[in-house]
Amino acid sequence: DAKTTQPNSMESNEEEPVHLPCNHSTISGTDYIHWYRQLPSQGPEYVIHGLTSNVNNRMASLAIAEDRKSSTLILHRATLRDAAVYYCILLAGGTSYGKLTFGQGTILTVHP
Amino acid sequence: DAGVTQSPTHLIKTRGQQVTLRCSPKSGHDTVSWYQQALGQGPQFIFQYYEEEERQRGNFPDRFSGHQFPNYSSELNVNALLLGDSALYLCASSEPGTRNSPLHFGNGTRLTVT
Repeated sequence: DAKTTQPNSMESNEEEPVHLPCNHSTISGTDYIHWYRQLPSQGPEYVIHGLTSNVNNRMASLAIAEDRKSSTLILHRATLRDAAVYYCILLAGGTSYGKLTFGQGTILTVHP
Repeated sequence: DAGVTQSPTHLIKTRGQQVTLRCSPKSGHDTVSWYQQALGQGPQFIFQYYEEEERQRGNFPDRFSGHQFPNYSSELNVNALLLGDSALYLCASSEPGTRNSPLHFGNGTRLTVT
């Protein structure tokens, strides 16, 4: 599986935007970029995924670099509830059947 | 609409014993995956069940086995428990027919082996 690299931790203030980076220089053409987050004492929660184009949903936006070697998860206005571990995961297109390979993720701290 | 439910929420077992963990997938989902999450680590894939068969398996010994029932619910069994099996065990389900569909996770079973 192609590997992702994320910062160990990031901090933000409430109501400010947060940009969480992820590097995936060995990504293949059919790999999807998925983001999950895990709040304290809960299971992981799907956030967003994309292949080539930027994606938006009610939770966040995903900006994918033109060469696809990096991506950024954008939380437009952080709230205290967004404090979690964020995982960037590559999923091989058409073959994964839900086998996610989690790394260490980025611990996001949100200050009031 | 109930999401993924797991039972029990917490469990304490002694080394050498056997344990069974249970999972009910989200309504409409037919595929169940199991993950082990050690303290401070990301979840690790154990195996996945689809149509009552094990479809994929991660790097876990044969002491870890599973089952899926006709109603899509699933069990994870661990035999000959080791201290290192202490972890949060997560179940996830996904929709039928789409290989890249998002996984929906339960809140896990915390297993402590003493």
